[in-house]
Amino acid sequence: SQTIHQWPATLVQPVGSPLSLECTVEGTSNPNLYWYRQAAGRGLQLLFYSVGIGQISSEVPQNLSASRPQDRQFILSSKKLLLSDSGFYLCAWSRAYGYTFGSGTRLTVV
Amino acid sequence: AQSVTQLGSHVSVSEGALVLLRCNYSSSVPPYLFWYVQYPNQGLQLLLKYTSAATLVKGINGFEAEFKKSETSFHLTKPSAHMSDAAEYFCAVKGSSNTGKLIFGQGTTLQVKP
Repeated sequence: SQTIHQWPATLVQPVGSPLSLECTVEGTSNPNLYWYRQAAGRGLQLLFYSVGIGQISSEVPQNLSASRPQDRQFILSSKKLLLSDSGFYLCAWSRAYGYTFGSGTRLTVV
Repeated sequence: AQSVTQLGSHVSVSEGALVLLRCNYSSSVPPYLFWYVQYPNQGLQLLLKYTSAATLVKGINGFEAEFKKSETSFHLTKPSAHMSDAAEYFCAVKGSSNTGKLIFGQGTTLQVKP
């Protein structure tokens, strides 16, 4: 069966520090991968998506970047975090019309 | 371009009462529509999806939704609310490109009162 792993579950980072969130998928190949952010009291905003290794599309200008070094690995990064980067980050994968979300990472930038 | 509007950011019902969460969509192509539920600090769980088959879609936990093309709506209902239904609910439409990305509404927080 397909599973998606996302870590860490919670993270508190100071302003200006780097960030790396990792997401891995098991049980499928060549999935579409996504990073969403949910800010407090707001809906889900698509940040990045990837249809293949090394292929990254950004949906909104921001302080973050994404990479897909392997077929089932999707990484969200920042060189210097801002206060506004705080939020709940969700990784997801899809094939056909099925979508599966990770359990999320709560990032607090202080 | 596709978009989703959820009417009402907060809905409060009594336990045992009907739950109705509203979702309207905009799509230039036949839409694929989804409802997800999110419990605090957790990921999203799929409740149900419409992919152009039956217009009345039954999901998990007693929820169902009806696709109405004439009204561009996909409202979520449950005949009798349980305390455990208290959560945030998101309606989403699949984008028309082959990227498969989902476009979400702003979400509706459901409160269930005893």
